[in-house]
Amino acid sequence: DGGITQSPKYLFRKEGQNVTLSCEQNLNHDAMYWYRQDPGQGLRLIYYSQIVNDFQKGDIAEGYSVSREKKESFPLTVTSAQKNPTAFYLCASSPSTGKANYEQYFGPGTRLTVT
Amino acid sequence: AQSVTQLGSHVSVSEGALVLLRCNYSSSVPPYLFWYVQYPNQGLQLLLKYTSAATLVKGINGFEAEFKKSETSFHLTKPSAHMSDAAEYFCAVSDRGTSYGKLTFGQGTILTVHP
Repeated sequence: DGGITQSPKYLFRKEGQNVTLSCEQNLNHDAMYWYRQDPGQGLRLIYYSQIVNDFQKGDIAEGYSVSREKKESFPLTVTSAQKNPTAFYLCASSPSTGKANYEQYFGPGTRLTVT
Repeated sequence: AQSVTQLGSHVSVSEGALVLLRCNYSSSVPPYLFWYVQYPNQGLQLLLKYTSAATLVKGINGFEAEFKKSETSFHLTKPSAHMSDAAEYFCAVSDRGTSYGKLTFGQGTILTVHP
């Protein structure tokens, strides 16, 4: 059954700690994305990757880092430099990097709470 | 920069009534347009998309949307609301000039359906 998995579903951390969110897809998609969702603000792009070993900053990359060592995996690290890390994080993928009309497929999300 | 406006952060309808969720985009060049639905604590699911074929687009769960270039709009409708339609709905756009399909999301509209 193809799709995107994110783990864990809920994550709790103390302020000052780095935390890594997992995203795996078995759709054979080239492009992968990380979004942050806050109430009333829609989704905002953190990072995206069009190909293995390459990634680009999105609109709100400060305080985050990513890696893309394998086509199917795109983990996101929320560092201690991120001022307001508590949010719902969504990972997505799309089939082609050359077509802007392709929809993105979303994982179930990880809710991160930092206290 | 491309922007998307969803009029009304909350919409409430009675079961069986018409659902109308509004979306306007800012680009002078018609973008690709998408509607997604999100149930609580879940990822986003694609309802429908417009990629410059027919201006009236039919999606899943009885939803449809009409692209109106003159009004820069892509409003989502459903003739008869069902209790299961209660969710948050996001309009998103993708510029035709981008090579990686970056999506810009609206702020979201929470749909409540009353019995």
